[in-house]
Amino acid sequence: EVQLLESGGDLVQPGGSLRLSCAASGFTFSTYAMSWVRQAPGVGLEWVSAISGGGGNTHYADSVKGRFTISRDDSKNTLYLQMNSLRAEDTAVYYCARSPGASGTWYWDFWGQGTLVPVSS
Amino acid sequence: EIVLTQSPATLSLSPGERATLSCRASQSVSSYLAWYQQKPGQAPRLLIYDASNRATGIPARFSGSGSGTDYTLTISSLETEDFAVYYCQQRNDWPLTFGGGTKVEIK
Repeated sequence: EVQLLESGGDLVQPGGSLRLSCAASGFTFSTYAMSWVRQAPGVGLEWVSAISGGGGNTHYADSVKGRFTISRDDSKNTLYLQMNSLRAEDTAVYYCARSPGASGTWYWDFWGQGTLVPVSS
Repeated sequence: EIVLTQSPATLSLSPGERATLSCRASQSVSSYLAWYQQKPGQAPRLLIYDASNRATGIPARFSGSGSGTDYTLTISSLETEDFAVYYCQQRNDWPLTFGGGTKVEIK
């Protein structure tokens, strides 16, 4: 059974940093592209970042480019999102999601339950 | 950036009725369009990918159609568990983008 379990969400002050993790199980993690998608309270979905299977290619939304870094450790079956220079508008539930393939098929067939990141002083 | 506009924002229907949801792109997405369902407090669930392909385990009452810039999600006969918010998403170009959502509520 495919499972994605996010962790690391916590209250952080503006300008602060946080690292999110997503532990994957039930599939061959290294062969799948992965993404982070977020949802601000009461608002719709926003794609944040994506990484190809094997980690050779990464992509970012303009809203986080230069501040967030996506990475993966295939030996640990874990996806990461390093978030720096956090802003109030980054407040959201962050979902880890799997794409059905190593790259190119950028939609998401499995999602984690999300981790909340409130950014506030 | 490709902008996806969903309409209507809210659809008020009764169980058993047909639901028709629209997603219009600011430029062609070449049928690289997916639909998701989201219920309160839950993660989104993939329904349709590449405009018309049902994802694994999705009931046949869900269908997708369209091409170019205009796409439709149809629920042929609403079940009580179908009342939720629906999002479209394009993968034709970076950045990946979502529509603003359509809420299907019980009339």
